[in-house]
Amino acid sequence: GAVVSQHPSRVICKSGTSVKIECRSLDFQATTMFWYRQFPKQSLMLMATSNEGSKATYEQGVEKDKFLINHASLTLSTLTVTSAHPEDSSFYICSARSKKADTFGSGTRLTVV
Amino acid sequence: DAKTTQPTSMDCAEGRAANLPCNHSTISGNEYVYWYRQIHSQGPQYIIHGLKNNETNEMASLIITEDRKSSTLILPHATLRDTAVYYCIVRVANSNSGYALNFGKGTSLLVTP
Repeated sequence: GAVVSQHPSRVICKSGTSVKIECRSLDFQATTMFWYRQFPKQSLMLMATSNEGSKATYEQGVEKDKFLINHASLTLSTLTVTSAHPEDSSFYICSARSKKADTFGSGTRLTVV
Repeated sequence: DAKTTQPTSMDCAEGRAANLPCNHSTISGNEYVYWYRQIHSQGPQYIIHGLKNNETNEMASLIITEDRKSSTLILPHATLRDTAVYYCIVRVANSNSGYALNFGKGTSLLVTP
């Protein structure tokens, strides 16, 4: 079945530093990938849509200069949280789209201290 | 995407069938019913989807009413590991959409010993 690998699973960083999260589709190619954020006891909120070879489309209220998304190949999308602040602490989840369904990564728990 | 309504929470005894309802009275003719679940601190997992016929796979069965205004996800023999939040999502087929999944609040299923 379709598998998406997300790395790292958890990361702790200092305020002001940047963190990169990788999302790989292991056994299929994905033209479109998505990045979500989830705060405690809340549902997933879409941050951006990432299309291979083009600029990402960001949801309203998500700063594109803070959350940098790169989708340079059909199997890899990255999210970089720049100049992280404690309020960026959250659970970040990616997904990759196939014809059948969206397959999700296992998520990245980011803690900014 | 059509709006869905699910109960906030449900309990089920281990070994019994878990029947999770979903109302989608405004569903369009080309929209599918998708089910995902999210176990705590993990990414969502695809379960099953269908258009109008009942569907079954190794994880669950999906029963869609004839008028397609509601559906039920059935876990035939629930285990403790099925404790999760279950999301019913109505949207056009993946191959026809560039839009992300819209996760509502879902149903929190607790399977008890």
